[in-house]
Amino acid sequence: AQSVTQLGSHVSVSEGALVLLRCNYSSSVPPYLFWYVQYPNQGLQLLLKYTSAATLVKGINGFEAEFKKSETYFHLTKHSPHMSDAAEYFCAVSDNNNNDMRFGAGTRLTVKP
Amino acid sequence: DTAVSQTPKYLVTQMGNDKSIKCEQNLGHDTMYWYKQDSKKFLKIMFSYNNKELIINETVPNRFSPKSPDKAHLNLHINSLELGDSAVYFCASSQVSGGGYGYTFGSGTRLTVV
Repeated sequence: AQSVTQLGSHVSVSEGALVLLRCNYSSSVPPYLFWYVQYPNQGLQLLLKYTSAATLVKGINGFEAEFKKSETYFHLTKHSPHMSDAAEYFCAVSDNNNNDMRFGAGTRLTVKP
Repeated sequence: DTAVSQTPKYLVTQMGNDKSIKCEQNLGHDTMYWYKQDSKKFLKIMFSYNNKELIINETVPNRFSPKSPDKAHLNLHINSLELGDSAVYFCASSQVSGGGYGYTFGSGTRLTVV
């Protein structure tokens, strides 16, 4: 069964710094990988997804993610975050045989002025 | 128009009561899901329906019963509510069951059992 592990439950950066949120995955088949964002009191919103081919995936709001098969990671980055990017971020994995998506435990991002 | 809508948004009820949460999607998706998010933000799948057929039924107490009258609706009924059922429940839908397609989530129902 596939799973993801998010490293670090809380990340704090300053505005203008680089955001790096880490996600390692485990899957016996080529995975589909996702990053979602959850703002307070809201549902999850898809930021970006990796399905195949491109190892650098661009998403909404200036977020990008790098897929590296040899190290089984799918890390999320953003240059120059704003305070409005403060939220909970979830990495998720699914494969084509399942009907469910498995989420990591989440990383809370704080952006300081 | 909201893509995935859940009602109610907040639900406060006493232990032992029975309650329902409704979910509707207007995206034409075939698959719908219920997830439970606990106080530590951990998300756990509960049920998955594809075209009204139950696909996933995780280890969930049988006090929880999903019902899908058509592929645009997936409701969750909970009997004999317990304190531990307090959580945020999210409905979601996807275009095709399985991988490669992201899910569209509703805004959640915060259930508080007192």
